[in-house]
Amino acid sequence: EAQVTQNPRYLITVTGKKLTVTCSQNMNHEYMSWYRQDPGLGLRQIYYSMNVEVTDKGDVPEGYKVSRKEKRNFPLILESPSPNQTSLYFCASSHHLRGVETEAFFGQGTRLTVV
Amino acid sequence: KNEVEQSPQNLTAQEGEFITINCSYSVGISALHWLQQHPGGGIVSLFMLSSGKKKHGRLIATINIQEKHSSLHITASHPRDSAVYICAVRDIIQGAQKLVFGQGTRLTINP
Repeated sequence: EAQVTQNPRYLITVTGKKLTVTCSQNMNHEYMSWYRQDPGLGLRQIYYSMNVEVTDKGDVPEGYKVSRKEKRNFPLILESPSPNQTSLYFCASSHHLRGVETEAFFGQGTRLTVV
Repeated sequence: KNEVEQSPQNLTAQEGEFITINCSYSVGISALHWLQQHPGGGIVSLFMLSSGKKKHGRLIATINIQEKHSSLHITASHPRDSAVYICAVRDIIQGAQKLVFGQGTRLTINP
């Protein structure tokens, strides 16, 4: 089954404690991205990756890191989480090659609370 | 002004009604996505459009590139269509490949 898998689904952590949210897709998609969703602000893009070892900032990259060492995985790293990073996070992937783009597949979401 | 504007923000209708949700954008795009988010939070892609019209079951999506406008239509609406519908555009300004989202339209279909 084609899917994007995020883990964990729920996480409560303390300010400053490094954490990683994993994202994995089984569709051989080139394009992967991370979004956060906040009430009144909607979905905003954090980082995206066009392919292995190619990443770029979205609209709200501050406080986040990503890596794309393998095509299937795109982890989101919070080196020193702060309360303003409390949010609902989504990972997504799609084919995006030589100007051809397909529908996006989203992970189930990770609800992060930083206290 | 947001790059992507949806209207209406909220819509309540009776089962069976024809529903239209609109999306206008101000940037150059390579594609437009319509997404559905149910109360549980999960997001599902409904359509990806770069031109013309697409149909899937009771859902129809159209895009007018010249007018920078897209519509999502639901025929014979049903309470299970109640969800937030989100328009997103692939912004190609300066070679970037960002996805920019509208604020969403909350649709409620009453039986």
